Amino acid sequence: DIVMTQSPSSLAVSAGETVTINCKSSQSLLYSGNQKNYLAWYQQKPGQSPKLLIYWASTRQSGVPDRFIGSGSGTDFTLTISSVQAEDLAIYYCQQYYDTPPELTFGSGTKLEIK
Amino acid sequence: QVQLQQSGAELAKPGSSVKISCKASGYTFTSYYISWIKQTTGQGLEYIGYINTGSGGTNYNEKFKGKATLTVDKSSSTAFMQLSSLTPDDSAVYYCARSGYDGTVNWFAYWGQGTLVTVSS
Repeated sequence: DIVMTQSPSSLAVSAGETVTINCKSSQSLLYSGNQKNYLAWYQQKPGQSPKLLIYWASTRQSGVPDRFIGSGSGTDFTLTISSVQAEDLAIYYCQQYYDTPPELTFGSGTKLEIK
Repeated sequence: QVQLQQSGAELAKPGSSVKISCKASGYTFTSYYISWIKQTTGQGLEYIGYINTGSGGTNYNEKFKGKATLTVDKSSSTAFMQLSSLTPDDSAVYYCARSGYDGTVNWFAYWGQGTLVTVSS
């Protein structure tokens, strides 16, 4: 299985700051056939289901604010949240879909707190 | 709009079984696979497997073979997951989810609200 490692496990920032969350995969998620990275990002607010933010490592899901930016390639990926707002309080997960299902795996999550 | 509506919380005894439902609406049910995902505080998010809602074909993560059984009722656009021989380790929130693209499993654009399963004597 591809292991997804997220860092940090938690962080606390003030509203208006920029946040960077990292996700590292145990093997490359870049498929040479289409040059796409098979990585998604989710946001899970307290008491809610996960919500898709980003797929193909950098494509924003419809309706997601443009302050959420996905980047990276190969084994190293980043979710950047610019001008953090109180409503961004959540746990953020990365997920790889490079492995043939049912071997999809998720990162362990990064908890974002607002000071 | 796409919606996945799951059945309510379950309290079950060790050794018993539970069957969770996921009713889909707002899209062509048989065009998209339904996946199931387990969430616990300790293990995070774990992928259980998926069902091809058109053919009924299934594919399970090795860890959940023998534990989970996925079925579908096309007439009611509902997917089901049965969990058998329950132990306290099966206590978790279980989600159904739909892929972003039809005919494959990749990212999950739509999620059910989750079903809490508690296994306790």
